[in-house]
Amino acid sequence: GNSVTQMEGPVTLSEEAFLTINCTYTATGYPSLFWYVQYPGEGLQLLLKATKADDKGSNKGFEATYRKETTSFHLEKGSVQVSDSAVYFCALSGWTGGTSYGKLTFGQGTILTVHP
Amino acid sequence: GAVVSQHPSRVICKSGTSVKIECRSLDFQATTMFWYRQFPKQSLMLMATSNEGSKATYEQGVEKDKFLINHASLTLSTLTVTSAHPEDSSFYICSATGGSSEKLFFGSGTQLSVL
Repeated sequence: GNSVTQMEGPVTLSEEAFLTINCTYTATGYPSLFWYVQYPGEGLQLLLKATKADDKGSNKGFEATYRKETTSFHLEKGSVQVSDSAVYFCALSGWTGGTSYGKLTFGQGTILTVHP
Repeated sequence: GAVVSQHPSRVICKSGTSVKIECRSLDFQATTMFWYRQFPKQSLMLMATSNEGSKATYEQGVEKDKFLINHASLTLSTLTVTSAHPEDSSFYICSATGGSSEKLFFGSGTQLSVL
């Protein structure tokens, strides 16, 4: 079956530091890959996504590239801010059509804390 | 943008009682809603998929009679944890999609603690 493995946290960084959160996956076929972010007291929000190999998803300074050869989708940001403190989830979807779209397989989440 | 509202955010109950969690789509029609469960330091695990007006589809290993899901309208799905026990204590989160759009929106989650 599908699975997602995320870098264990928590991750603590100083403001303006470089961020990498590793994510690798196991899936049959050609999954779509996502990064979700959960800020304190809020629901999960889609941060970025990539639907095929070599696609790069980007949003708010975050980037992740769909690497089929290494089955990875690592999240990166060149300069983090205090406001980036949140929990980050890597996820995959086996199918983007119909009602199966929402059936996501999640990683365990990585807590990021950014200090001034 | 679209918002999914989930209530309550936190509930504490006694063992043996039932707890209902609501998930509402506020400005779109949610043809499909999903319910997830998360244990501490673990992934969100899909429990069930519910389509408006039909029975929910449960994932393997999820007790249908334990976790009752109702999706009676296009804006509301409920999860009822029946005869709750301490091992049911967990974080429950819903998500909703309008079907035609490849957008999925999550509620803020419910922390259930069963004493």
